[in-house]
Amino acid sequence: EDKVVQSPLSLVVHEGDTVTLNCSYEVTNFRSLLWYKQEKKAPTFLFMLTSSGIEKKSGRLSSILDKKELFSILNITATQTGDSAIYLCAVNSGGSNYKLTFGKGTLLTVNP
Amino acid sequence: DAGITQSPRHKVTETGTPVTLRCHQTENHRYMYWYRQDPGHGLRLIHYSYGVKDTDKGEVSDGYSVSRSKTEDFLLTLESATSSQTSVYFCAISKTSSGGRGDEQFFGPGTRLTVL
Repeated sequence: EDKVVQSPLSLVVHEGDTVTLNCSYEVTNFRSLLWYKQEKKAPTFLFMLTSSGIEKKSGRLSSILDKKELFSILNITATQTGDSAIYLCAVNSGGSNYKLTFGKGTLLTVNP
Repeated sequence: DAGITQSPRHKVTETGTPVTLRCHQTENHRYMYWYRQDPGHGLRLIHYSYGVKDTDKGEVSDGYSVSRSKTEDFLLTLESATSSQTSVYFCAISKTSSGGRGDEQFFGPGTRLTVL
């Protein structure tokens, strides 16, 4: 059974702090790892990672994948209150149906 | 906006009643998914579809059925709702038909279902 574990489950920081969110996985046939941000609505796509060591970056957010150690991290620098959300990690374990297995998410709260 | 709508957006029902949730897409994509989201559990796959009349079970399919009679609509039915099915339900699509890899899923706005 595919498994995705995120840590920490919740995190409270102050504006301006840098945070690192973790995602480890065990899947039968890895295809890709995805990060989503969820505010009080539907999850929105952030990054897709398929290769080890290649950083994906968008503004203050960045992510990297280690396929040997089976984990990914999502970094957020200079956090803002608008970064407060649940961050979800998901893994696509191949096959022809593109199914995703999600972790439980990390609830990030950024205080002013 | 991935062109996905869900209806109803909110529903309150009683235990034992049947409930059908609808997911509608405007972009003609082949793959559609139903998830439920509960505190402490993240998103869990209920059922998915890989074409008209082609569906399969996810990890939490007990108590749910689905139907897909046309590409744009994917229906989720709770035959006899129970309080444990109180949840937020999300529909998602993979955009394979537009030439993408298909890995990324795009989500509808969600339906909040309360079973009393």
